[in-house]
Amino acid sequence: DAGITQSPRYKITETGRQVTLMCHQTWSHSYMFWYRQDLGHGLRLIYYSAAADITDKGEVPDGYVVSRSKTENFPLTLESATRSQTSVYFCASKGGGSQETQYFGPGTRLLVL
Amino acid sequence: AQRVTQPEKLLSVFKGAPVELKCNYSYSGSPELFWYVQYSRQRLQLLLRHISRESIKGFTADLNKGETSFHLKKPFAQEEDSAMYYCALHAGNNRKLIWGLGTSLAVNP
Repeated sequence: DAGITQSPRYKITETGRQVTLMCHQTWSHSYMFWYRQDLGHGLRLIYYSAAADITDKGEVPDGYVVSRSKTENFPLTLESATRSQTSVYFCASKGGGSQETQYFGPGTRLLVL
Repeated sequence: AQRVTQPEKLLSVFKGAPVELKCNYSYSGSPELFWYVQYSRQRLQLLLRHISRESIKGFTADLNKGETSFHLKKPFAQEEDSAMYYCALHAGNNRKLIWGLGTSLAVNP
């Protein structure tokens, strides 16, 4: 589990600011995912990536941007933060084989004022 | 449409009582199902996969294709089982999981 980390763990920002959440994994997993977790909504997929330079939208991509220039990193950027983006953000990864288990990071708690 | 339903948002039981967390899915093909657990302020972690047919921390889950269910069961709940439990479905060739909304289990002393 220590193989996937997120930073920062806590972030307070203001409406309109750009925020980048970092995700790093040491397993060389092909797939990486960004979720947000909100009461009443469970986990919702924001973006995912099948490999370096390949990304795709999930359920709730609006207001977010991702990149995957290196296999091990998958940053999530809120281009202009809004209060509705206050949430807990989880990054996850999985290997490219048939095993579908996803491994989660510790999460980032983001508060947008 | 592919969907996972966890009908109970909150389940409260006493220590030592049996517990069953319900999960129903909608998928026409051959599903792969998971239970993930999240203890307070911790990361999600895999609890069970149906293909493994294993028992973890006393929990078991059996895939019932006729009822399209994958309920999580434990005969004697412990206080340390208190957590949020998510059922997830992998369906199809894409690598995404489809998640239920989660059930919060509270085991009271």
